[in-house]
Amino acid sequence: AQRVTQPEKLLSVFKGAPVELKCNYSYSGSPELFWYVQYSRQRLQLLLRHISRESIKGFTADLNKGETSFHLKKPFAQEEDSAMYYCALSGRRGTDKLIFGTGTRLQVFP
Amino acid sequence: DTGVSQDPRHKITKRGQNVTFRCDPISEHNRLYWYRQTLGQGPEFLTYFQNEAQLEKSRLLSDRFSAERPKGSFSTLEIQRTEQGDSAMYLCASSPGLAGPSTDTQYFGPGTRLTVL
Repeated sequence: AQRVTQPEKLLSVFKGAPVELKCNYSYSGSPELFWYVQYSRQRLQLLLRHISRESIKGFTADLNKGETSFHLKKPFAQEEDSAMYYCALSGRRGTDKLIFGTGTRLQVFP
Repeated sequence: DTGVSQDPRHKITKRGQNVTFRCDPISEHNRLYWYRQTLGQGPEFLTYFQNEAQLEKSRLLSDRFSAERPKGSFSTLEIQRTEQGDSAMYLCASSPGLAGPSTDTQYFGPGTRLTVL
């Protein structure tokens, strides 16, 4: 079955601390993995995707096919990073529908 | 604002009533998606359009749900005989539908929050 698991509902850190939001997936094939973010009172938006291999707002994520993981990392958290983060996969080219995890709320304290 | 728009933003209805939501995608995006999000969950896929053709429907989409995209532009999602379990945020997303090896980026609307009393 296709599934995305985000084990943490809430992650609280202080400003300047490293952040790692965990994401594991289950899919029989080669999925594309994404991180979406939703800031307070804003719509869901794409943060980054594994095929881009780029850093957005200081965040990076590496696809580990052996561990079926796509953890989101940032070395130094900022208060403006506080938001809801969703990991998602797309597994079939025809539809491109997204399968989301349950999300992790990141709180960065000053 | 040239992003995806949804109307209404909030809807409160009584059980058994019918409701209809509208989604206006980004201009020239030929793919349109509907998702549903309940409290504490991530968005769940409901259905997908390529232009005016509805190409996939989730098992979550019971017979009481119907979606249309009559001219390949805006889309409507209707729920008949609403139930309390239908209370959720209904999200619409659109993507360009570009041919290529990777998944299109989906752009989400602000959502319509439905409350069924």
